[in-house]
Amino acid sequence: RKEVEQDPGPFNVPEGATVAFNCTYSNSASQSFFWYRQDCRKEPKLLMSVYSSGNEDGRFTAQLNRASQYISLLIRDSKLSDSATYLCVVIEEGYKLIFGSGTRLLVRP
Amino acid sequence: DAGVTQSPTHLIKTRGQHVTLRCSPISGHKSVSWYQQVLGQGPQFIFQYYEKEERGRGNFPDRFSARQFPNYSSELNVNALLLGDSALYLCASSLGGGRGFNEQFFGPGTRLTVL
Repeated sequence: RKEVEQDPGPFNVPEGATVAFNCTYSNSASQSFFWYRQDCRKEPKLLMSVYSSGNEDGRFTAQLNRASQYISLLIRDSKLSDSATYLCVVIEEGYKLIFGSGTRLLVRP
Repeated sequence: DAGVTQSPTHLIKTRGQHVTLRCSPISGHKSVSWYQQVLGQGPQFIFQYYEKEERGRGNFPDRFSARQFPNYSSELNVNALLLGDSALYLCASSLGGGRGFNEQFFGPGTRLTVL
């Protein structure tokens, strides 16, 4: 079983749509969680941290359910520029980034 | 301020050869991590160095080695290249040290093709 699992997609949505990505992780001792964004042939960039209480950054909302070992990312009012691969990341031992395989999002006009 | 830089950007090698990849962290960052990203997968942790010492190693064979220099730049070496080593190699720098997670900033990567 992979340490971090994501639906690979692609999710193909029209502009303005709301889309949700899910992720599960296997290590119940994991303490820190993030979403990264990776554009085609570019490096990953930190999108947002994920907190148990849930957190929002503009159109993006992240949620963590520790009991279910489940992380989610909600994107509202999708823009063409949101097209990218979204990587779910769990931190182990305080410094190792453990990445999921990524979920690809395509936003069409 | 310059971000993380990596060289070369692209590299083509044949099986059995050796390769050295280089990384310069953001000024003031003392920690460098290396990741391998195979097409269609997320990056996979290879090494982290902090203050010139290896802090951790992922599940990679001994053909992979790295080091960090006094100026905090780093090299990743791969010996006896296999076709499966073809990937994007990403370097990430962070402040390092202390307790808690320090955000890791990624360089543009080196794309290695093994023929």
